[in-house]
Amino acid sequence: DQQVKQNSPSLSVQEGRISILNCDYTNSMFDYFLWYKKYPAEGPTFLISISSIKDKNEDGRFTVFLNKSAKHLSLHIVPSQPGDSAVYFCAASTHNAGNMLTFGGGTRLMVKP
Amino acid sequence: SQTIHQWPATLVQPVGSPLSLECTVEGTSNPNLYWYRQAAGRGLQLLFYSVGIGQISSEVPQNLSASRPQDRQFILSSKKLLLSDSGFYLCAWRQFSGNTIYFGEGSWLTVV
Repeated sequence: DQQVKQNSPSLSVQEGRISILNCDYTNSMFDYFLWYKKYPAEGPTFLISISSIKDKNEDGRFTVFLNKSAKHLSLHIVPSQPGDSAVYFCAASTHNAGNMLTFGGGTRLMVKP
Repeated sequence: SQTIHQWPATLVQPVGSPLSLECTVEGTSNPNLYWYRQAAGRGLQLLFYSVGIGQISSEVPQNLSASRPQDRQFILSSKKLLLSDSGFYLCAWRQFSGNTIYFGEGSWLTVV
Protein backbone atom coordinates (compact mmCIF):
# COMPACT_ATOMS: atom_id res chain seq x y z
CA ASP A 1 0.00 0.00 0.00
CA GLN A 2 1.84 3.06 -1.29
CA GLN A 3 0.67 5.97 0.80
CA VAL A 4 2.92 8.45 -1.01
CA LYS A 5 3.23 8.31 -4.78
CA GLN A 6 5.29 10.15 -7.33
CA ASN A 7 3.68 9.08 -10.58
CA SER A 8 6.29 10.55 -12.89
CA PRO A 9 9.54 8.57 -12.74
CA SER A 10 11.36 11.19 -14.79
CA LEU A 11 11.06 14.78 -15.99
CA SER A 12 13.13 16.68 -18.52
CA VAL A 13 13.22 20.49 -18.48
CA GLN A 14 15.18 23.15 -20.34
CA GLU A 15 17.52 25.32 -18.30
CA GLY A 16 15.83 28.53 -17.15
CA ARG A 17 12.33 27.08 -17.35
CA ILE A 18 10.13 25.91 -14.49
CA SER A 19 10.35 22.37 -13.13
CA ILE A 20 7.20 21.02 -11.49
CA LEU A 21 7.48 17.81 -9.51
CA ASN A 22 4.28 16.23 -8.25
CA CYS A 23 3.40 14.00 -5.33
CA ASP A 24 0.12 12.44 -4.22
CA TYR A 25 -0.75 10.89 -0.90
CA THR A 26 -3.62 8.84 0.46
CA ASN A 27 -3.29 9.14 4.24
CA SER A 28 -5.31 12.14 5.41
CA MET A 29 -3.49 11.98 8.76
CA PHE A 30 -0.24 13.21 7.20
CA ASP A 31 0.47 16.67 8.59
CA TYR A 32 4.02 17.43 7.47
CA PHE A 33 5.54 17.11 4.05
CA LEU A 34 9.12 17.32 2.85
CA TRP A 35 11.11 17.29 -0.36
CA TYR A 36 14.57 15.79 -0.63
CA LYS A 37 17.10 15.95 -3.44
CA LYS A 38 19.39 13.03 -4.10
CA TYR A 39 22.46 12.70 -6.29
CA PRO A 40 23.73 9.22 -7.25
CA ALA A 41 25.67 7.44 -4.51
CA GLU A 42 24.92 10.21 -1.99
CA GLY A 43 22.45 10.57 0.84
CA PRO A 44 19.29 12.63 0.24
CA THR A 45 19.55 16.30 1.09
CA PHE A 46 16.64 18.10 2.71
CA LEU A 47 15.26 20.83 0.45
CA ILE A 48 12.05 22.29 1.76
CA SER A 49 9.07 21.33 3.88
CA ILE A 50 5.52 22.41 4.55
CA SER A 51 3.11 21.93 7.40
CA SER A 52 -0.49 20.97 6.72
CA ILE A 53 -1.65 24.30 8.16
CA LYS A 54 -0.09 26.07 5.17
CA ASP A 55 -0.67 25.79 1.45
CA LYS A 56 2.59 27.31 0.24
CA ASN A 57 6.17 27.61 1.39
CA GLU A 58 8.92 29.33 -0.53
CA ASP A 59 12.70 29.21 -0.22
CA GLY A 60 14.64 30.91 -2.97
CA ARG A 61 14.06 29.11 -6.25
CA PHE A 62 12.06 26.37 -4.54
CA THR A 63 8.36 26.57 -3.70
CA VAL A 64 6.22 23.78 -2.33
CA PHE A 65 2.44 23.88 -2.75
CA LEU A 66 0.03 21.76 -0.73
CA ASN A 67 -3.53 21.01 -1.78
CA LYS A 68 -5.03 19.11 1.14
CA SER A 69 -8.42 18.53 -0.48
CA ALA A 70 -6.72 16.85 -3.42
CA LYS A 71 -4.06 15.22 -1.23
CA HIS A 72 -1.49 16.61 -3.59
CA LEU A 73 1.73 18.53 -3.23
CA SER A 74 4.13 19.88 -5.77
CA LEU A 75 7.62 21.31 -5.87
CA HIS A 76 8.33 24.18 -8.24
CA ILE A 77 11.88 25.08 -9.20
CA VAL A 78 12.26 28.41 -10.95
CA PRO A 79 14.48 28.95 -12.83
CA SER A 80 15.77 25.42 -13.32
CA GLN A 81 19.54 24.96 -13.46
CA PRO A 82 21.64 22.03 -14.70
CA GLY A 83 22.83 21.47 -11.11
CA ASP A 84 19.24 20.72 -10.17
CA SER A 85 19.46 17.46 -12.10
CA ALA A 86 18.92 14.77 -9.47
CA VAL A 87 16.28 12.46 -8.07
CA TYR A 88 13.66 14.23 -5.96
CA PHE A 89 11.76 12.42 -3.21
CA CYS A 90 8.68 13.68 -1.49
CA ALA A 91 7.97 12.44 2.01
CA ALA A 92 5.14 12.74 4.49
CA SER A 93 4.79 12.23 8.19
CA THR A 94 2.21 12.13 10.95
CA HIS A 95 2.91 13.73 14.29
CA ASN A 96 0.90 11.08 16.06
CA ALA A 97 3.06 8.37 14.50
CA GLY A 98 6.24 9.82 15.86
CA ASN A 99 6.99 11.77 12.70
CA MET A 100 8.01 8.66 10.81
CA LEU A 101 8.61 9.56 7.18
CA THR A 102 6.91 7.76 4.31
CA PHE A 103 8.70 8.35 1.00
CA GLY A 104 7.49 8.42 -2.55
CA GLY A 105 9.36 6.48 -5.22
CA GLY A 106 11.23 9.52 -6.54
CA THR A 107 11.28 11.53 -9.76
CA ARG A 108 14.46 11.93 -11.78
CA LEU A 109 14.78 15.53 -12.97
CA MET A 110 17.05 16.30 -15.90
CA VAL A 111 17.72 19.96 -16.65
CA LYS A 112 19.18 20.44 -20.10
CA PRO A 113 21.56 23.33 -20.76
CA SER B 1 26.30 22.08 13.98
CA GLN B 2 25.18 18.51 13.69
CA THR B 3 26.91 15.99 11.46
CA ILE B 4 26.25 12.39 10.56
CA HIS B 5 28.76 9.90 9.24
CA GLN B 6 28.40 6.33 8.13
CA TRP B 7 30.96 3.79 6.95
CA PRO B 8 32.15 2.02 5.01
CA ALA B 9 31.06 3.91 1.91
CA THR B 10 31.37 0.86 -0.34
CA LEU B 11 31.30 -2.81 0.50
CA VAL B 12 31.43 -5.97 -1.60
CA GLN B 13 30.61 -9.07 0.40
CA PRO B 14 30.04 -12.73 -0.54
CA VAL B 15 26.73 -14.42 0.13
CA GLY B 16 26.63 -15.84 3.64
CA SER B 17 29.18 -13.42 5.08
CA PRO B 18 28.42 -11.06 7.98
CA LEU B 19 27.73 -7.35 7.71
CA SER B 20 28.37 -4.38 9.94
CA LEU B 21 27.58 -0.80 8.90
CA GLU B 22 28.20 1.93 11.42
CA CYS B 23 26.72 5.37 11.82
CA THR B 24 27.48 8.16 14.26
CA VAL B 25 25.85 11.51 14.83
CA GLU B 26 27.65 14.48 16.38
CA GLY B 27 26.39 17.73 17.79
CA THR B 28 23.10 16.55 19.21
CA SER B 29 21.79 14.48 22.09
CA ASN B 30 19.13 11.80 22.21
CA PRO B 31 18.43 11.83 18.47
CA ASN B 32 16.02 9.48 16.76
CA LEU B 33 18.11 7.27 14.46
CA TYR B 34 17.07 5.43 11.32
CA TRP B 35 18.35 2.92 8.79
CA TYR B 36 16.87 3.13 5.29
CA ARG B 37 17.61 1.12 2.16
CA GLN B 38 17.28 2.16 -1.44
CA ALA B 39 17.23 -0.83 -3.75
CA ALA B 40 18.21 -0.23 -7.37
CA GLY B 41 15.70 2.06 -9.10
CA ARG B 42 13.39 2.16 -6.12
CA GLY B 43 12.39 4.51 -3.33
CA LEU B 44 13.55 4.66 0.25
CA GLN B 45 12.45 1.87 2.56
CA LEU B 46 12.64 2.27 6.33
CA LEU B 47 14.36 -0.72 7.92
CA PHE B 48 14.88 0.21 11.57
CA TYR B 49 14.47 3.16 13.86
CA SER B 50 15.55 3.89 17.40
CA VAL B 51 14.33 6.44 19.92
CA GLY B 52 17.00 5.67 22.51
CA ILE B 53 19.88 3.45 23.59
CA GLY B 54 18.97 -0.20 23.22
CA GLN B 55 15.53 0.64 21.76
CA ILE B 56 15.11 -0.71 18.23
CA SER B 57 11.97 -1.00 16.15
CA SER B 58 11.94 -3.05 12.97
CA GLU B 59 9.75 -2.03 10.07
CA VAL B 60 10.51 -4.88 7.69
CA PRO B 61 11.16 -8.50 8.70
CA GLN B 62 14.42 -9.69 7.19
CA ASN B 63 17.81 -11.11 8.05
CA LEU B 64 19.16 -7.72 9.10
CA SER B 65 19.34 -6.38 12.64
CA ALA B 66 20.19 -3.06 14.24
CA SER B 67 21.71 -2.02 17.52
CA ARG B 68 22.25 1.24 19.36
CA PRO B 69 25.00 0.71 21.92
CA GLN B 70 25.50 4.43 22.53
CA ASP B 71 23.28 7.51 22.27
CA ARG B 72 24.73 8.67 18.95
CA GLN B 73 25.78 5.34 17.44
CA PHE B 74 23.64 3.12 15.25
CA ILE B 75 24.81 -0.17 13.75
CA LEU B 76 23.25 -2.27 11.01
CA SER B 77 24.24 -5.93 11.01
CA SER B 78 23.65 -9.27 9.42
CA LYS B 79 24.96 -12.69 10.34
CA LYS B 80 24.57 -14.09 6.81
CA LEU B 81 24.05 -11.84 3.80
CA LEU B 82 21.70 -12.71 0.94
CA LEU B 83 21.97 -11.53 -2.66
CA SER B 84 18.77 -9.55 -2.10
CA ASP B 85 20.50 -7.50 0.61
CA SER B 86 22.39 -5.56 -2.06
CA GLY B 87 21.49 -1.90 -2.11
CA PHE B 88 22.26 1.57 -0.91
CA TYR B 89 21.95 1.87 2.87
CA LEU B 90 21.32 5.19 4.51
CA CYS B 91 21.60 6.17 8.13
CA ALA B 92 19.55 9.17 9.21
CA TRP B 93 18.78 11.16 12.30
CA ARG B 94 16.13 13.51 13.62
CA GLN B 95 16.09 15.74 16.64
CA PHE B 96 13.84 14.35 19.31
CA SER B 97 11.27 17.12 18.83
CA GLY B 98 11.96 17.86 15.18
CA ASN B 99 10.13 17.09 11.94
CA THR B 100 13.01 16.83 9.49
CA ILE B 101 15.18 13.77 8.97
CA TYR B 102 18.79 14.27 7.86
CA PHE B 103 20.68 11.60 6.01
CA GLY B 104 24.25 10.36 6.00
CA GLU B 105 26.34 9.83 2.90
CA GLY B 106 25.14 6.28 2.31
CA SER B 107 26.85 2.91 1.99
CA TRP B 108 26.80 0.84 -1.17
CA LEU B 109 26.53 -2.86 -0.43
CA THR B 110 26.98 -5.41 -3.18
CA VAL B 111 26.47 -9.03 -2.23
CA VAL B 112 28.10 -11.40 -4.71
